[in-house]
Amino acid sequence: AQKVTQAQTEISVVEKEDVTLDCVYETRDTTYYLFWYKQPPSGELVFLIRRNSFDEQNEISGRYSWNFQKSTSSFNFTITASQVVDSAVYFCALIPGGGADGLTFGKGTHLIIQP
Amino acid sequence: GAGVSQSPRYKVAKRGQDVALRCDPISGHVSLFWYQQALGQGPEFLTYFQNEAQLDKSGLPSDRFFAERPEGSVSTLKIQRTQQEDSAVYLCASTDYPRDEQFFGPGTRLTVL
Repeated sequence: AQKVTQAQTEISVVEKEDVTLDCVYETRDTTYYLFWYKQPPSGELVFLIRRNSFDEQNEISGRYSWNFQKSTSSFNFTITASQVVDSAVYFCALIPGGGADGLTFGKGTHLIIQP
Repeated sequence: GAGVSQSPRYKVAKRGQDVALRCDPISGHVSLFWYQQALGQGPEFLTYFQNEAQLDKSGLPSDRFFAERPEGSVSTLKIQRTQQEDSAVYLCASTDYPRDEQFFGPGTRLTVL
């Protein structure tokens, strides 16, 4: 069984601040995939990134960056120079490399960017 | 192209009624997933189809929940004798390959009174 923990229930920052959302996972699989999704107030889940367990290279996409560390089973997400439009609930998720499981999601972090 | 669509978007049912929720995946997507999202929680896996075959239904909470995808495209999630604890948003997702990005629909918000 897999488990994803997002310990930060809610984070509130002022616009232009940097913010990091934490994600810690547990799995017995050697091959797995990690994801981040954004859920804005409209409710639809929006894909942000997918990373496989063999690729620990960090990734940057514009103001977004991800830090994957297998040694600590963490896959943290940083938003640089946050904007009001970044306000949403962010979910970290995991799926094993084989089998017929679906995604295992964390409980989500509600990010509030104040103007 | 069109994304994943779900209908109805909102459903209110009286306790004990049966409901049917529809999912139209992205055309050609082999894999289809159903998730249940309770208020303030992350989505929880219910069941997975590869084409018309239901490969995993381990997440269905009770035998009142039933899902089908008879022709390998549209899927229906049916809940019999609804209970208040069934109130949630039901999300459908599809993808080409089950380990790739899943594309989510807008969800159906079910409220059981």
